[in-house]
Amino acid sequence: EPEVTQTPSHQVTQMGQEVILRCVPISNHLYFYWYRQILGQKVEFLVSFYNNEISEKSEIFDDQFSVERPDGSNFTLKIRSTKLEDSAMYFCASSERGITEAFFGQGTRLTVV
Amino acid sequence: KNEVEQSPQNLTAQEGEFITINCSYSVGISALHWLQQHPGGGIVSLFMLSSGKKKHGRLIATINIQEKHSSLHITASHPRDSAVYICAVRIQGAQKLVFGQGTRLTINP
Repeated sequence: EPEVTQTPSHQVTQMGQEVILRCVPISNHLYFYWYRQILGQKVEFLVSFYNNEISEKSEIFDDQFSVERPDGSNFTLKIRSTKLEDSAMYFCASSERGITEAFFGQGTRLTVV
Repeated sequence: KNEVEQSPQNLTAQEGEFITINCSYSVGISALHWLQQHPGGGIVSLFMLSSGKKKHGRLIATINIQEKHSSLHITASHPRDSAVYICAVRIQGAQKLVFGQGTRLTINP
């Protein structure tokens, strides 16, 4: 069964460093998303991406964040200068269309120290 | 006020019991999702609903659009059903999902 895969599963980084979280969406899907979940809190939307551009973003997704689809398979989230409060589980998701079911990856746990 | 509210927040039951988790929302939606999150953190999609009822194995999900309410039922619950169950809605005109806070379900043998 096709699945969304994320790498790495866990990343530890020092405050101020840049991190790139990687995702391989399901191959025939056209819409891609990043969500995050701070420990003990609910999942929050960060950004959606379609046709090589951001289609929607939340107020969390400020200038420190960027997304890219560098090739036909990967979808990345970059955090330019990490802060302690960026520590969270980051989930990538994809859907065939904007209105169809979204499938989630297993998440990347980011710890900023 | 949260746009998506789930109840209860925590639920402990004995194996075999019938389980109901509720979700209420306050916004217009195009679809509602029920998701499962295991202790490792990964999220698995269980159902996407825009009307009526869906069934998959021992899981049943219903939605009442007029009342802005959905329920997830588990029949013949089993310890392996222990997880956090999350309701999420897609707001009309948007692609993003807005999540509830989750219901932590523990099924004891």
